[in-house]
Amino acid sequence: SAVISQKPSRDICQRGTSLTIQCQVDSQVTMMFWYRQQPGQSLTLIATANQGSEATYESGFVIDKFPISRPNLTFSTLTVSNMSPEDSSIYLCSVATDNQPQHFGDGTRLSIL
Amino acid sequence: QKEVEQNSGPLSVPEGAIASLNCTYSDRGSQSFFWYRQYSGKSPELIMSIYSNGDKEDGRFTAQLNKASQYVSLLIRDSQPSDSATYLCALSTGYSTLTFGKGTMLLVSP
Repeated sequence: SAVISQKPSRDICQRGTSLTIQCQVDSQVTMMFWYRQQPGQSLTLIATANQGSEATYESGFVIDKFPISRPNLTFSTLTVSNMSPEDSSIYLCSVATDNQPQHFGDGTRLSIL
Repeated sequence: QKEVEQNSGPLSVPEGAIASLNCTYSDRGSQSFFWYRQYSGKSPELIMSIYSNGDKEDGRFTAQLNKASQYVSLLIRDSQPSDSATYLCALSTGYSTLTFGKGTMLLVSP
């Protein structure tokens, strides 16, 4: 399966600031996704990152808060904007090719003070 | 709304025993089913996928799917302490987006 690199692996940020998380894949993939996993909880899909067009957001997530870019078939970014302590979570990038199962990056552990 | 239900556990089994993890779902349109293993502090790792009714075996792991009963399970034979993790059931209706259950924590004692 593809090798997925996610950066940063962890960060501690001040409230009101923004952080951009990068997801790089070593091969072209059809689909890229961004998830959030809050402490002790399961994964919640934030959005599907579409190459060359606006991301498709799930209910409860908006572009102003979580802008996403996907300039090509191997790279995507998720920005967490105007952060508050409630945004403290693990953010995960996953990828899939054609109809194959999703595979996850190592995640970004984000803490907001 | 898609729902995926799992017993949160922990499910405790002794080393060498069979661990049985269960998952039920509400969306009859679900077509693809997956089991991910997540160690504490790590990201989910795919261990099994199943698409049709019946059993699918891979090493010590067997996935079972019953679409009529909306039920999918994962059996782990000869459980090892290294199998201790949270097991996430996930499903898809065919457009790659996944819905996850909350996971079952498995503890295998030596």
